[in-house]
Amino acid sequence: LAKTTQPISMDSYEGQEVNITCSHNNIATNDYITWYQQFPSQGPRFIIQGYKTKVTNEVASLFIPADRKSSTLSLPRVSLSDTAVYYCLVGDINSGGYQKVTFGTGTKLQVIP
Amino acid sequence: SAVISQKPSRDICQRGTSLTIQCQVDSQVTMMFWYRQQPGQSLTLIATANQGSEATYESGFVIDKFPISRPNLTFSTLTVSNMSPEDSSIYLCSVHRIETGELFFGEGSRLTVL
Repeated sequence: LAKTTQPISMDSYEGQEVNITCSHNNIATNDYITWYQQFPSQGPRFIIQGYKTKVTNEVASLFIPADRKSSTLSLPRVSLSDTAVYYCLVGDINSGGYQKVTFGTGTKLQVIP
Repeated sequence: SAVISQKPSRDICQRGTSLTIQCQVDSQVTMMFWYRQQPGQSLTLIATANQGSEATYESGFVIDKFPISRPNLTFSTLTVSNMSPEDSSIYLCSVHRIETGELFFGEGSRLTVL
């Protein structure tokens, strides 16, 4: 399973765009990249998933370069409620082994008024 | 999506006792997973619970300490046995949506051992 590396923490002011980058140099051909959000006292929640190029949903965008060795989660115009820990996970969702992905340290995002 | 309910949501226990955490899912799932999240830390997979077979434990976790039951496709329990203060953590139940690879988590059970 590809190991992921993320910044430990980030601060951002309300209304700004936040980009969190995850490195996964050993990503395999069949691996997908998934991001989760965790608020205090809650379980992680799925945000977005992608394989290559760009994926966008109502919450975030995910940018994946051609070599797929990194990915960037983009949160547009963050608010105080976006303060949370964000985890980047990499794994083969089709093999049945994806569930054994390793959660990295995550990035603790603090949004400042 | 999947709705996962865990009980208890939190508990305070004495050293040497055992506590069983329940996980109920609103749909049938093949695999259920138990994670531990120590204070301020990331999530660590304890074991994978399959219906009809013994759970598969990750390195560092053993059945005697964390026995797991999986009596049907919607329910599982995790027991934390002979607890010590080092077992104080949040224990999370999770299921895997095969079609998308998405993991759904319960709210967690916060355990404090005195």
